[in-house]
Amino acid sequence: EAGVAQSPRYKIIEKRQSVAFWCNPISGHATLYWYQQILGQGPKLLIQFQNNGVVDDSQLPKDRFSAERLKGVDSTLKIQPAKLEDSAVYLCASSPGPQSGDTQYFGPGTRLTVL
Amino acid sequence: QKEVEQDPGPLSVPEGAIVSLNCTYSNSAFQYFMWYRQYSRKGPELLMYTYSSGNKEDGRFTAQVDKSSKYISLFIRDSQPSDSATYLCAMSLYGNNRLAFGKGNQVVVIP
Repeated sequence: EAGVAQSPRYKIIEKRQSVAFWCNPISGHATLYWYQQILGQGPKLLIQFQNNGVVDDSQLPKDRFSAERLKGVDSTLKIQPAKLEDSAVYLCASSPGPQSGDTQYFGPGTRLTVL
Repeated sequence: QKEVEQDPGPLSVPEGAIVSLNCTYSNSAFQYFMWYRQYSRKGPELLMYTYSSGNKEDGRFTAQVDKSSKYISLFIRDSQPSDSATYLCAMSLYGNNRLAFGKGNQVVVIP
């Protein structure tokens, strides 16, 4: 079974530039998550989708971050404009459903460096 | 007070030693408790999962949950160099799969 795919793996940009990350979840998984993991910290949930609807985006900085999952499969996360403090690893995860205890499977992440 | 506290100090142990990791939490409503392992430059992978209080054993790994003390632990017996990784505790509420993570513990097992 193929895992969660993410691209690009690494990205370096200047502050105030825009950047987008892509995620392809495990086939058949209805729930998709984007996490931000700052160096030395645990992952922090940014947004959770159930199919193509948003379940939880309470911790998404909506003035600069946006995400979509148009067809309920792939998802993109965008930052516009980027700030220095956005330097982090952006992890995508998927689970079969949104139920408590449904295992979340993580992708390898995209490491973003903002200069 | 953060929801989940995990002392992030790195831990170095000789091969074969027992590794002991723990987390405390503040929200008594947490019901699902997990330990994830994260190798360098990789995403976290689920290692152990426990619902409510109690112990769970899987091979060399044992997870314990003490809800009365809001304290969870992970023990690794007969540690191997391949166990060298960062271990993250995570927990969630009933009816909500949003995970609250600790900061993670970097473990190095020295051959």
